Amino acid sequence: GAGVSQSPSNKVTEKGKDVELRCDPISGHTALYWYRQRLGQGLEFLIYFQGNSAPDKSGLPSDRFSAERTGESVSTLTIQRTQQEDSAVYLCASSLSRDEKLFFGSGTQLSVL
Amino acid sequence: AQRVTQPEKLLSVFKGAPVELKCNYSYSGSPELFWYVQYSRQRLQLLLRHISRESIKGFTADLNKGETSFHLKKPFAQEEDSAMYYCALSEGGSQGNLIFGKGTKLSVKP
Repeated sequence: GAGVSQSPSNKVTEKGKDVELRCDPISGHTALYWYRQRLGQGLEFLIYFQGNSAPDKSGLPSDRFSAERTGESVSTLTIQRTQQEDSAVYLCASSLSRDEKLFFGSGTQLSVL
Repeated sequence: AQRVTQPEKLLSVFKGAPVELKCNYSYSGSPELFWYVQYSRQRLQLLLRHISRESIKGFTADLNKGETSFHLKKPFAQEEDSAMYYCALSEGGSQGNLIFGKGTKLSVKP
């Protein structure tokens, strides 16, 4: 595959709506990460999947945020009842394993009006 | 708690000048440190990691455990080095997540 693919590239939604962001990792990559990058800020860790292990959800900011991953393939990040402060670029990354370098997607720009 | 600090939001130098992007970390164990770079309109990508002890695009970084630092250096900056640079820390062991600093924007002027 070409690399980590994220969709949509841009999403505009109204406050209170739910959104789903998708990430297709590089084939064979067992590790998958979600990060959030607010304007002018660094990358904020959200959640990490490693193979079939329980995900590390320690970075999810509230219970409105959840993510799933089917095996070692696609992952979806769901934000329920979106708020304006959820506006950010959501980045997905994958790697062969935990200690290998991360390959990033181009991100989804989420704007909550 | 583990933390990565990049004290400079913006660093501006002239072409040919030396450059040092600072990174300090807070972690009690044996961390793995990385530098990631994002050029304009490109994806974030790995520049180098301390365990490789390599030089990429003329950049080097040495892990100083005594000063808990992992500064990125290049003796002669080029215009194409202009980008956002992020320092990151991995805890090692069974933990997985990579903790990033807030980034430093490097601007190399002609």
